[in-house]
Amino acid sequence: KAGVTQTPRYLIKTRGQQVTLSCSPISGHRSVSWYQQTPGQGLQFLFEYFSETQRNKGNFPGRFSGRQFSNSRSEMNVSTLELGDSALYLCASSLDLRSGNTIYFGEGSWLTVV
Amino acid sequence: QKEVEQNSGPLSVPEGAIASLNCTYSDRVSQSFFWYRQYSGKSPELIMSIYSNGDKEDGRFTAQLNKASQYVSLLIRDSQPSDSATYLCAAQNSGYSTLTFGKGTMLLVSP
Repeated sequence: KAGVTQTPRYLIKTRGQQVTLSCSPISGHRSVSWYQQTPGQGLQFLFEYFSETQRNKGNFPGRFSGRQFSNSRSEMNVSTLELGDSALYLCASSLDLRSGNTIYFGEGSWLTVV
Repeated sequence: QKEVEQNSGPLSVPEGAIASLNCTYSDRVSQSFFWYRQYSGKSPELIMSIYSNGDKEDGRFTAQLNKASQYVSLLIRDSQPSDSATYLCAAQNSGYSTLTFGKGTMLLVSP
């Protein structure tokens, strides 16, 4: 079956702009999470969505936001981009919120802010 | 604050040897633990998951969990150069799919 699909894969933005990243989870998966990966900080949790509701949020400023649609697809938005937002943004999906469910990652969206 | 700690490495082992990767976690309520492998420029790939104290084996990989010591490890037997990657340890709490990751240990397997 198809895996987690993220678009776009690569993008370059200018400081101050905004960006929207998209994620389509594995068919049947209702939980979607977003992570930011940078060389210095590693993988850091951004948000978790389940049934269109944000269930958990990481320690990121309000410039980072997200949402989930009724078909479980999710988007995240970063406004007023800063150089430090340059990172690999990873989307992960799982069946539901039960502990122990396998969590699958997409290939990620590489964001460069110049 | 929940933390997962790993040695950054690199851990260098010769081909055919056993690689031992270790991880400690701070949140006692963490219930599930995962090891992911990440090649440079790629996304994390699940290697093993473990939920109960003790050992869990899958092919060349063995995960070990000791909840009393808040310690998780991954053993890779008969290490191959293709195992060279960064290995990420992650902890998960009940009721959330959220993972707390360590910063990863780089493993280098030399031919």
